[in-house]
Amino acid sequence: AAGVIQSPRHLIKEKRETATLKCYPIPRHDTVYWYQQGPGQDPQFLISFYEKMQSDKGSIPDRFSAQQFSDYHSELNMSSLELGDSALYFCASSSVRDRTLGNEKLFFGSGTQLSVL
Amino acid sequence: GESVGLHLPTLSVQEGDNSIINCAYSNSASDYFIWYKQESGKGPQFIIDIRSNMDKRQGQRVTVLLNKTVKHLSLQIAATQPGDSAVYFCADTTGANSKLTFGKGITLSVRP
Repeated sequence: AAGVIQSPRHLIKEKRETATLKCYPIPRHDTVYWYQQGPGQDPQFLISFYEKMQSDKGSIPDRFSAQQFSDYHSELNMSSLELGDSALYFCASSSVRDRTLGNEKLFFGSGTQLSVL
Repeated sequence: GESVGLHLPTLSVQEGDNSIINCAYSNSASDYFIWYKQESGKGPQFIIDIRSNMDKRQGQRVTVLLNKTVKHLSLQIAATQPGDSAVYFCADTTGANSKLTFGKGITLSVRP
């Protein structure tokens, strides 16, 4: 079965540079979520989108922005990168239909490991 | 979820023994709970879930127990195997359109 696809798998950037992370949800999933996981930390919610509209916002820095496109894929744009942005960034997806039926689990991608030097 | 810093709590068990991983959640309005398993360098993988109108649910080799009175969730793994070694997270949500909030991860280490 198709899973959530994230690219790139690894990314190395310098301080103050920009980065773009991509996420392709499971087919027919209309909702995407972005999480940030620092070393030894639990995943922290950043932002989510449903049908191209932001549906919830967490601890996302103002330097970051994200959007969801008409094909439901999403991109997380990160500017003025700082050392502390080094983390594993996960995208997850679900569908409103599944959630309405009581299936609220999120399916996660393998993540993008961002290293800021 | 509340971070525990760079060192996650660790549970070490003997292969073949049963494991019990505990989790406390803070939001009394949470109505759906999930356990995820995360192996090194990979994304969280779904293990089992439970709704707030239940107190126990069983899967294959795994059981989740929910105690809403004390806001406590546990994951029991029967006959723990080396492949069960990973970090385990509980997560909860307050509604169908709400985000999942992760709890503190616990590292399960299985001794051969």
